[in-house]
Amino acid sequence: KAGVTQTPRYLIKTRGQQVTLSCSPISGHRSVSWYQQTPGQGLQFLFEYFSETQRNKGNFPGRFSGRQFSNSRSEMNVSTLELGDSALYLCASSLEVAGKGETQYFGPGTRLLVL
Amino acid sequence: AQSVTQLGSHVSVSEGALVLLRCNYSSSVPPYLFWYVQYPNQGLQLLLKYTTGATLVKGINGFEAEFKKSETSFHLTKPSAHMSDAAEYFCAVSNNDMRFGAGTRLTVKP
Repeated sequence: KAGVTQTPRYLIKTRGQQVTLSCSPISGHRSVSWYQQTPGQGLQFLFEYFSETQRNKGNFPGRFSGRQFSNSRSEMNVSTLELGDSALYLCASSLEVAGKGETQYFGPGTRLLVL
Repeated sequence: AQSVTQLGSHVSVSEGALVLLRCNYSSSVPPYLFWYVQYPNQGLQLLLKYTTGATLVKGINGFEAEFKKSETSFHLTKPSAHMSDAAEYFCAVSNNDMRFGAGTRLTVKP
C-alpha cells in the first residue's frame, strides 16, 4: 500500500505570496492532519480534517487554511506569506480521527522557504 | 490540556551502549502515548505506542518504552545503540489531538 505523499517536496516563495500544499493519504484513511515543523518551535499542530470536515484546529492565524476532498486528499493554503512561515510542513493520515490511540502515518513533508 | 516534555534536546551515546530517552506527559485523562523517529529529510515514523494493557511496550528496531502512571513518564530505551539509530525522536500524547514533545536528537559515536 502506498504511503502518504506530499507535493511539492520543496518550494521557494517570496513574502506576500500565497502557497498551496497537497497531501494524499494512505488509501482508506479518512483523517488528515497537518503540522508545521521549525527548529525553534518544534512540531506544531495546524488542523485535522476528517470526512471533509475540519475537526480540530491549532493556534495559527487565519492565513493558514485547509480543506479535504471527497477522496480524502487534502490541501493546505497559506496566504500573505511571512518569513516566519518558512518550515517543513508535514501531513499525516490515519484511519479514524487522530487521538484515542489512533496511529498517524506521516508523509515526507514539504519544505517551504519564504524569501 | 495535555502536553509532553522531553528531557534533553540532545543525547549522545557510544555504539553498543544503552539508549535512554526521557519523556514526561501531562494529561487530564488516561493518555495514549507514542514515540516517533525522524531521519534527516524524512517524515516521522512510528516506533511504538501505548494505548491500554501491558505497560511495557515493544516497538520496532529493538526499542521499548514503559508507561509509568505514578511518574507520568514514558521513557524510551534500547539496550544496545547502533549507528543507524542516530535520528531525532519525538514523544507524543494524544487524546483529542496529537501533541508532540520538542524532540531529542540522538547521536551515536563509533
